[in-house]
Amino acid sequence: LAKTTQPISMDSYEGQEVNITCSHNNIATNDYITWYQQFPSQGPRFIIQGYKTKVTNEVASLFIPADRKSSTLSLPRVSLSDTAVYYCLVGFDSARQLTFGSGTQLTVLP
Amino acid sequence: NAGVTQTPKFQVLKTGQSMTLQCAQDMNHNSMYWYRQDPGMGLRLIYYSASEGTTDKGEVPNGYNVSRLNKREFSLRLESAAPSQTSVYFCASSVRTSGVQDTQYFGPGTRLLVL
Repeated sequence: LAKTTQPISMDSYEGQEVNITCSHNNIATNDYITWYQQFPSQGPRFIIQGYKTKVTNEVASLFIPADRKSSTLSLPRVSLSDTAVYYCLVGFDSARQLTFGSGTQLTVLP
Repeated sequence: NAGVTQTPKFQVLKTGQSMTLQCAQDMNHNSMYWYRQDPGMGLRLIYYSASEGTTDKGEVPNGYNVSRLNKREFSLRLESAAPSQTSVYFCASSVRTSGVQDTQYFGPGTRLLVL
């Protein structure tokens, strides 16, 4: 199973770009990288998923280098409402890989 | 389209009491999941169901039972509640298989306090 490592917390200011990196050194060939966002008192919400290179949607971008041993979630121009916990998951079709670690607590300051 | 719904929203139990947490989804998803989240921690998988009629243990199944009643509903039962089961319980569903590559949709959670 690919183990993931993320920073425990990050602070940023409104309007800045935030990059959260997840390390997954033993990622398997078939594994995908998926990020979720969780606000207090709510269930997690899917943000973005990727396999290699770069993926972009209306909310975020995901950068994956060629060796796929890490990935970076990029949130452009954050606002106070982006304050949340962000989880990085790595895996494919096994429920055993559905491991939400402690995530990264992002706090956006005014 | 309500997505994933959970009942109740909040429950207080005494040690030894039993209860069933209900979850339903209206997205015609095949897979459903139960997680628990303790304060300041990530979610841990209790049980999951890859399809109607099948259930499998996750990371922390002890003290729980589940029933996949039909494609829409997946219930979690605590037979004899213990204070260690005080937590927030989330139900989720996904379209196809039970894995990271399939987007999960989460319910609002049930807050359970066991005294």
